[in-house]
Amino acid sequence: GENVEQHPSTLSVQEGDSAVIKCTYSDSASNYFPWYKQELGKGPQLIIDIRSNVGEKKDQRIAVTLNKTAKHFSLHITETQPEDSAVYFCAASTYNQGGKLIFGQGTELSVKP
Amino acid sequence: GAVVSQHPSWVICKSGTSVKIECRSLDFQATTMFWYRQFPKQSLMLMATSNEGSKATYEQGVEKDKFLINHASLTLSTLTVTSAHPEDSSFYICSATGTGSSSNYGYTFGSGTRLTVV
Repeated sequence: GENVEQHPSTLSVQEGDSAVIKCTYSDSASNYFPWYKQELGKGPQLIIDIRSNVGEKKDQRIAVTLNKTAKHFSLHITETQPEDSAVYFCAASTYNQGGKLIFGQGTELSVKP
Repeated sequence: GAVVSQHPSWVICKSGTSVKIECRSLDFQATTMFWYRQFPKQSLMLMATSNEGSKATYEQGVEKDKFLINHASLTLSTLTVTSAHPEDSSFYICSATGTGSSSNYGYTFGSGTRLTVV
């Protein structure tokens, strides 16, 4: 089955700096790669996603890149703000086959003012 | 957009009792529901997958007789933790995929249920 590895486990940046979180996946059949932000005591919130037919996607300060050959994808947050502080999870699935969504281990991002 | 309503948001129960958690899709038909468990400072671990009208498929190591999943309709799935023990205390989260004008190409998550067994 699918295995998703996520690094780093913790990340501390200064406000205004960029943050990058990286994930690798094992199942070459995976075709959907979402990123979630989770605040304490709440369910995960989708912040951006990418499908396997696209190499990069951007939404304001957030971008995701996908390298299918290397089986890795990354989240890039620019101009970080204190409210970006949270736990971020990557995930992978074979969505159009009703596939299970498998999560990475999570990254605790701290943005210091 | 798609919304999944999960209840209760938190529950405290005595050891040995059963607890039911509900997830309802409000504006789309949830053809598949996934149930996750999350321990403090850990990731979401998939427990089981259920398709409407079918028996759930459980992940390795998850006791199907302890975690009963029902997905009898396209808008409601329930997880019942039977004979709960303190080690079952965790954050339980549902996620749905489905069809309908409001459904996402993706997974819609509930807000989670904090279960504490005393």
